[in-house]
Amino acid sequence: DIVMTQTPLSSPVTLGQPASISCRSSQSLVHSDGNTYLSWLQQRPGQPPRLLIYKISNRFSGVPDRFSGSGAGTDFTLKISRVEAEDVGVYYCMQATQFPWTFGQGTKVEIK
Amino acid sequence: QLQLQESGPGLVKPSETLSLTCTVSGGSISSSIYYWGWIRQPPGKGLEWIGNIYYGGISYYNPSLRSRVTISVDTSKNQFSLKLNSVTAADTAIYYCATDRVQQLPPGYWGQGTLVTVSS
Repeated sequence: DIVMTQTPLSSPVTLGQPASISCRSSQSLVHSDGNTYLSWLQQRPGQPPRLLIYKISNRFSGVPDRFSGSGAGTDFTLKISRVEAEDVGVYYCMQATQFPWTFGQGTKVEIK
Repeated sequence: QLQLQESGPGLVKPSETLSLTCTVSGGSISSSIYYWGWIRQPPGKGLEWIGNIYYGGISYYNPSLRSRVTISVDTSKNQFSLKLNSVTAADTAIYYCATDRVQQLPPGYWGQGTLVTVSS
C-alpha cells in the first residue's frame, strides 16, 4: 500500500493569514495514464469529507480560489492563501493512483 | 446534481453482518459513466477506503477487508450496498458512500455518513 504522510498534524493559524500543509507519498503517484491522482479533502466538524483539490492542483466545483495545490511525484502541498473561520477542520491528502486508495493521517487547522 | 443517502442499522452485534444501502438521486446507478464507493471513519480517527464498484459489476476492495466485504448494485431501486461480515468492535465507524464520473478520482459526491456501532 502507498503510505501518505502529512505534516504538520496540527496547524494553528491567524485569521487572514496563510496556511500550508505538506503531504509525502511512499512512492510516486504518477499513474500509467500520465495523471497524478493526488487529492485534498476538507472535513469540517461534524460534516462528511469534501473534495477540495484533485490531480494535484485542480479545484473541485465550488471550491474557493484561496485553496491551491501543488507538487509532483511524491511531494505535495495544500495552501490556503488567507484563512477564514469556515476553513477550520481536518484536511486529508489522498492518493487514488493505485488500489487500495489511501489517506494521510489528517491535519487539524484551527484558529489561534 | 448527484446526491447520496446512506441507510441501515446503527447497531450490529459482533460476528454478524453489517449491511448498508446508499440511495442515489440525480444520476442512474445503471450508467457506465459513474462508479460507486464506500469509505469509513472510526470515531475521532482518519479515513479508510473500503472499495468501489464499476459498470458491469467490476469491483475493487481494500485488501485489509477483501475477505469480508461485498459491494453490489440494485438497479431496480437505484441503490448500491455494502455488506461486511464477521464484524468486530474495530468495524465501528461512520460509513460514507461516494460517487463520481469514472474520470474523476477520487469521488466528489459524498453522502452525509451513517454511524454503525458494533456491540452486543
